[in-house]
Amino acid sequence: ETGVTQTPRHLVMGMTNKKSLKCEQHLGHNAMYWYKQSAKKPLELMFVYNFKEQTENNSVPSRFSPECPNSSHLFLHLHTLQPEDSALYLCASSQPSSGANEKLFFGSGTQLSVL
Amino acid sequence: AQKVTQAQTEISVVEKEDVTLDCVYETRDTTYYLFWYKQPPSGELVFLIRRNSFDEQNEISGRYSWNFQKSTSSFNFTITASQVVDSAVYFCALSENFGNEKLTFGTGTRLTIIP
Repeated sequence: ETGVTQTPRHLVMGMTNKKSLKCEQHLGHNAMYWYKQSAKKPLELMFVYNFKEQTENNSVPSRFSPECPNSSHLFLHLHTLQPEDSALYLCASSQPSSGANEKLFFGSGTQLSVL
Repeated sequence: AQKVTQAQTEISVVEKEDVTLDCVYETRDTTYYLFWYKQPPSGELVFLIRRNSFDEQNEISGRYSWNFQKSTSSFNFTITASQVVDSAVYFCALSENFGNEKLTFGTGTRLTIIP
């Protein structure tokens, strides 16, 4: 148990659907992340939030829309996705401190299939 | 640009054998951090180790050991007396001086321990 919970664990959606992925961390961290894990590819950083402010958008298509209402919750809103968006979406959190790269705590991910 | 290469896509060894997972990195920064994460079948990545570029001492933690060689830009990971519970995908990662926003992962090595 890493202290980062993601729901749902599995999601199947059509290309015209709208769905949301949820992430919650119980670690008191101030930074939260979305990563995409596709088969045979490195993990791709999508978004970073520090103290609820988005500090990184790694050229992610607008069909992915993040939301961070507070430091404990992070959402990824999905709409009009493409089949190539099928992947494992991982949420992570960390406690940033100056001069050091703190380790990330990951959730178990949402396995997304787009039909 | 940063890059992490894990040339071994999949490795299988018989239980109790030793196994080494290779990681080669590229960076132009003089200060950087290297990480190893383990991803068991449950999906969440679990932090194993963080090493900064100024600390080239090898580290041992139980059956795990890490060999950091700046001269060859490698940060290899060895599991001694492997166990079935070690079966997982292992990721090597690199980040710049500050912030996890620039964390670059390798493609991972899937390790299977055969009972």
